[in-house]
Amino acid sequence: ETGVTQTPRHLVMGMTNKKSLKCEQHLGHNAMYWYKQSAKKPLELMFVYNFKEQTENNSVPSRFSPECPNSSHLFLHLHTLQPEDSALYLCASSQGLADEQYFGPGTRLTVT
Amino acid sequence: EDQVTQSPEALRLQEGESSSLNCSYTVSGLRGLFWYRQDPGKGPEFLFTLYSAGEEKEKERLKATLTKKESFLHITAPKPEDSATYLCAVRPNYGGSQGNLIFGKGTKLSVKP
Repeated sequence: ETGVTQTPRHLVMGMTNKKSLKCEQHLGHNAMYWYKQSAKKPLELMFVYNFKEQTENNSVPSRFSPECPNSSHLFLHLHTLQPEDSALYLCASSQGLADEQYFGPGTRLTVT
Repeated sequence: EDQVTQSPEALRLQEGESSSLNCSYTVSGLRGLFWYRQDPGKGPEFLFTLYSAGEEKEKERLKATLTKKESFLHITAPKPEDSATYLCAVRPNYGGSQGNLIFGKGTKLSVKP
């Protein structure tokens, strides 16, 4: 069992809904990440936070909005998503930006 | 362009049949190569970090090696519980600044009893 938790584990939402994904890390790390994992594609980095400050926004559409209130918590706010946004969304954390990342179990998102 | 290619895409082994997975990379310098294991419906689990050519690391039946162009994950006498998708990722070095991890598509390993 890793020290990174994600809720919910599964989410089905309509294209007009607004929902949020939550990630919490219990490892005392300073950096947190959001990744998207789609079938047959490599993990895609979405956002990076280091000491609560966003250091990377990998050209992600504005319908995805991250929030990092402290070094232990990370949110991904979702609104007016498209069916192609259906994927496994993974949160990760690391001690520093150069260190190995530890992943949570992911949220399986389905957009209908 | 920075790129990571893993082969084969899928590998089926009999229990006890040793083999290797390959991760070849093209990056602007290397500040680390990472191996992860991912079980269905779960997040990737960290296995190893390698930093320089010639480096090797071992954990139970797994051994990771690194050259200047590729890394191998050797699996010795695998067991059914080794079945998973194995992911490789590299961190580029951009003139002294580190880049973000670039992942390969993974190799899906199935070990039959």
